[in-house]
Amino acid sequence: NAGVTQTPKFQVLKTGQSMTLQCAQDMNHEYMSWYRQDPGMGLRLIHYSVGAGITDQGEVPNGYNVSRSTTEDFPLRLLSAAPSQTSVYFCASSSGTGGVGYGYTFGSGTRLTVV
Amino acid sequence: GEDVEQSLFLSVREGDSSVINCTYTDSSSTYLYWYKQEPGAGLQLLTYIFSNMDMKQDQRLTVLLNKKDKHLSLRIADTQTGDSAIYFCAESMNTGGFKTIFGAGTRLFVKA
Repeated sequence: NAGVTQTPKFQVLKTGQSMTLQCAQDMNHEYMSWYRQDPGMGLRLIHYSVGAGITDQGEVPNGYNVSRSTTEDFPLRLLSAAPSQTSVYFCASSSGTGGVGYGYTFGSGTRLTVV
Repeated sequence: GEDVEQSLFLSVREGDSSVINCTYTDSSSTYLYWYKQEPGAGLQLLTYIFSNMDMKQDQRLTVLLNKKDKHLSLRIADTQTGDSAIYFCAESMNTGGFKTIFGAGTRLFVKA
């Protein structure tokens, strides 16, 4: 049981490049989210999904796209990377009844630097 | 709007109790959480409390919730050097049961 797996762990992009951060979970969780973590700001929600085929925006969705074609996978796409997107990105999933009541399981993160 | 606030740093001696505090603003919060983050790792759920509870104890961890003052605390008894980490408070909104807001995290230093 691997939990939540994120790849890559580290990435350096040039401004304007695009890329996809991968996230996969093997716990059959319905709820999945992407957060970014910046110093002194906690975690901010980018996008989330309540099941396959259903996604919605969080607090800071601009510059990012998501899709959820399967229960297991929830990739995050950066359309045209900007230095402001330098951050640590976390994927999380939950099976909590009525939502995330029982809390998230987090991946180990992707550290992204945009130069 | 919704907000979760925590102090940024706490330093304690090994063996003492640590108390990490958090305030939140949304009175419709259904669940409140404490997560732990060790260096280079993701967040790990430590414990959670439902909003109709006042207290929850789990081994060395005690969570106290004062719903009137919107104040949540995490007490770690007999703090060890392995408890050094960042601790995040979070609240889950009663808006379709999904939105979770995190605080900025409290960095706990444990001195030997």
